[in-house]
Amino acid sequence: KNQVEQSPQSLIILEGKNCTLQCNYTVSPFSNLRWYKQDTGRGPVSLTIMTFSENTKSNGRYTATLDADTKQSSLHITASQLSDSASYICVVSAGNNNDMRFGAGTRLTVKP
Amino acid sequence: DTGVSQDPRHKITKRGQNVTFRCDPISEHNRLYWYRQTLGQGPEFLTYFQNEAQLEKSRLLSDRFSAERPKGSFSTLEIQRTEQGDSAMYLCASRTQGGRDNQPQHFGDGTRLSIL
Repeated sequence: KNQVEQSPQSLIILEGKNCTLQCNYTVSPFSNLRWYKQDTGRGPVSLTIMTFSENTKSNGRYTATLDADTKQSSLHITASQLSDSASYICVVSAGNNNDMRFGAGTRLTVKP
Repeated sequence: DTGVSQDPRHKITKRGQNVTFRCDPISEHNRLYWYRQTLGQGPEFLTYFQNEAQLEKSRLLSDRFSAERPKGSFSTLEIQRTEQGDSAMYLCASRTQGGRDNQPQHFGDGTRLSIL
């Protein structure tokens, strides 16, 4: 069983709308959590990184939250654009930061 | 372009052939990682190097797979006697090691391998 579960598996929204992607994890001990964006045919690109003490972090229209007690994270995208169409991957690192567990990703499609 | 570079971008070969992929990391990064990614899944860890030393290998890395980083710069991943199940995107990533280890991995755009 994957230690990082993402939902939904896929999502279609209209341009300009907001959306929230979820990530639940069981990785322990927790070191940090990253969200990556992966365009089709490209490598993942880091969006945010959050450590145990951080509850929220923003990067432009992307806002990530972390609840270390419930082991949940979310990625909120505001005012979506066509270029936001991609897979969003949640990655949780264990204590030594070398044991990185990848979620399967959420495939987001933004339609005009 | 000073990002992570992978070559080739695509490789199509017949089952049973050997293939070799190359990764050129960001020059100041001492850690280099290899991952495999299949459609609709996240990357799966294969192995990583710190400088020229291969420090960890996944159980996914069967004896048909070998990786090297001879001078601590570029790395190669070789697959011998390829099988259809080897068809996937092979991603390379690099980062610096140190501090609180919160530096993100920088990924290349991968080599897509198709086994006929």
